[in-house]
Amino acid sequence: SQKIEQNSEALNIQEGKTATLTCNYTNYSPAYLQWYRQDPGRGPVFLLLIRENEKEKRKERLKVTFDTTLKQSLFHITASQPADSATYLCAPSSGGYQKVTFGTGTKLQVIP
Amino acid sequence: NAGVMQNPRHLVRRRGQEARLRCSPMKGHSHVYWYRQLPEEGLKFMVYLQKENIIDESGMPKERFSAEFPKEGPSILRIQQVVRGDSAAYFCASSPLVYQRDEQYFGPGTRLTVT
Repeated sequence: SQKIEQNSEALNIQEGKTATLTCNYTNYSPAYLQWYRQDPGRGPVFLLLIRENEKEKRKERLKVTFDTTLKQSLFHITASQPADSATYLCAPSSGGYQKVTFGTGTKLQVIP
Repeated sequence: NAGVMQNPRHLVRRRGQEARLRCSPMKGHSHVYWYRQLPEEGLKFMVYLQKENIIDESGMPKERFSAEFPKEGPSILRIQQVVRGDSAAYFCASSPLVYQRDEQYFGPGTRLTVT
């Protein structure tokens, strides 16, 4: 069955450093992959979408890579700030009339 | 451009009562998804609907739960005869479902408490 793995343990980093979050998937060949941010008590917020033919995508301080050979996506936040503290979810998708399955998320804590 | 709206935000029901959760998708979005989230757990897919059609309900319990998305009006997630284990946050999301672009836009959620 399809499986999506994200670091289950919280990631603590110092303000100003680059945070790197990992998303691995198995038994899956997604056409693209999405990343979301979720704050406590709120719904997830869409951040970035990367397609299988794109190796890297950037948006401001965010960078996502997508390696279909390794079946892995990396999510980077450069110059991290305490306001970046949240849970980050990855969601591989095959597109079309297919449900999107979310990973359990990685909790990021940026320490001032 | 209003986002996804859910109501009520908080709902308290006694065991055995019915819970109705409403979701209005973003303007122009015709695809709606419902998820359940327990404290400290991930989002669990429940059901995926298009106007007047259920596309995928593989994540929804067979009994007591139902969902609809009528031609007019919001999508409704209905839970009959609620039990304590139904207490959770229920999120609705909508998407435009353009080719290779099905990012989802989530509502604020409905927090259901069963006493």
